[in-house]
Amino acid sequence: AQSVTQLDSHVSVSEGTPVLLRCNYSSSYSPSLFWYVQHPNKGLQLLLKYTSAATLVKGINGFEAEFKKSETSFHLTKPSAHMSDAAEYFCVVSDRPDDMRFGAGTRLTVKP
Amino acid sequence: DTGVSQNPRHKITKRGQNVTFRCDPISEHNRLYWYRQTLGQGPEFLTYFQNEAQLEKSRLLSDRFSAERPKGSFSTLEIQRTEQGDSAMYLCASRLDRTNSPLHFGNGTRLTVT
Repeated sequence: AQSVTQLDSHVSVSEGTPVLLRCNYSSSYSPSLFWYVQHPNKGLQLLLKYTSAATLVKGINGFEAEFKKSETSFHLTKPSAHMSDAAEYFCVVSDRPDDMRFGAGTRLTVKP
Repeated sequence: DTGVSQNPRHKITKRGQNVTFRCDPISEHNRLYWYRQTLGQGPEFLTYFQNEAQLEKSRLLSDRFSAERPKGSFSTLEIQRTEQGDSAMYLCASRLDRTNSPLHFGNGTRLTVT
């Protein structure tokens, strides 16, 4: 069975410093992996997806994630945080098209 | 692309009342999903449709919950005899019927049962 664990429920960074949001997954197959962002009272927006092509995936707003099969990880990074990045971030694993499992989320706070 | 639209945005109801939410997916998307999200948690799958056919329902979807997509376009989610535990954000998403096609979410309907 597939599952996803987001290792930090809350991450706080200063504006202009790097962001690292950690995600580990478990899957019996070669999964698809996604990161979504949710701003307050909004729906979820796709940041990026990994689908067994390049292991380093670039997304919107300067975010990227690296798929590491040996570590079963798919961590999300950004070189320099912006105030507008403050939101909830969800890692998602899917090993069949209609079974997408969401992590519990990581709340990112960006301090001025 | 007008995105996924959900109505209403907020609904406050008294325990025991019935409520119905509507979702209008992106027009060319034939797959439509309902999720429930409670505070501090990620979305939990409830059910999904391929066109008008409801193909899967989660065990979370008790018999008080029913979803329809009568013409393969918009969908409704009805909750009968609401309970306080039903208070949550109900999210709708749609996607193309294609491998690795991502979900596109609406802004959700926040239900509060008093």
